[in-house]
Amino acid sequence: EDQVTQSPEALRLQEGESSSLNCSYTVSGLRGLFWYRQDPGKGPEFLFTLYSAGEEKEKERLKATLTKKESFLHITAPKPEDSATYLCAVLLIQGAQKLVFGQGTRLTINP
Amino acid sequence: GAGVSQTPSNKVTEKGKYVELRCDPISGHTALYWYRQSLGQGPEFLIYFQGTGAADDSGLPNDRFFAVRPEGSVSTLKIQRTERGDSAVYLCASSPGGGAGELFFGEGSRLTVL
Repeated sequence: EDQVTQSPEALRLQEGESSSLNCSYTVSGLRGLFWYRQDPGKGPEFLFTLYSAGEEKEKERLKATLTKKESFLHITAPKPEDSATYLCAVLLIQGAQKLVFGQGTRLTINP
Repeated sequence: GAGVSQTPSNKVTEKGKYVELRCDPISGHTALYWYRQSLGQGPEFLIYFQGTGAADDSGLPNDRFFAVRPEGSVSTLKIQRTERGDSAVYLCASSPGGGAGELFFGEGSRLTVL
């Protein structure tokens, strides 16, 4: 069964304290892995796409990396406005156009 | 430019009632998706439209759920004989056509079934 698991479920950091969020996946065939950010009461907002192991993408304080079994979202020197739920999702070779999401990591950055 | 618009933002109904949720995608986006998100969970795929046709409805949980997109733009998700377990946020997303994973989501319609 195709599965996407994110850890930790929740993470509290102090402003400026760098850390990483994990997304591990067990899937039959990966077309792509996607990271989204979701603020309370809003829909998910697209951040990154990763297609192959070794690929990295960066945007401001965020960097996403991909291996054959997992992806990491690294947050460097976070600010309170980075507080959100971060969702990881996979697109499968046999899954046509549907994303399979993990349950998310709720990140809180304290000032 | 307007994003994906969903109405109503909140809907409270009684068990057994019929509900319609509307999605107005970004102009020119041919692909439209419905997802459902329960509290503390990631979104779960329901259905995908390319143009007017439902290309993949494998995520619809049962035959009480139905969605249409008659003119290839606005879509309506219809739920018959609602049950308490249908309570969730229903998210609509659109994309220009090719990027199945790079979606533009609306803010969702929160459905509460009493």
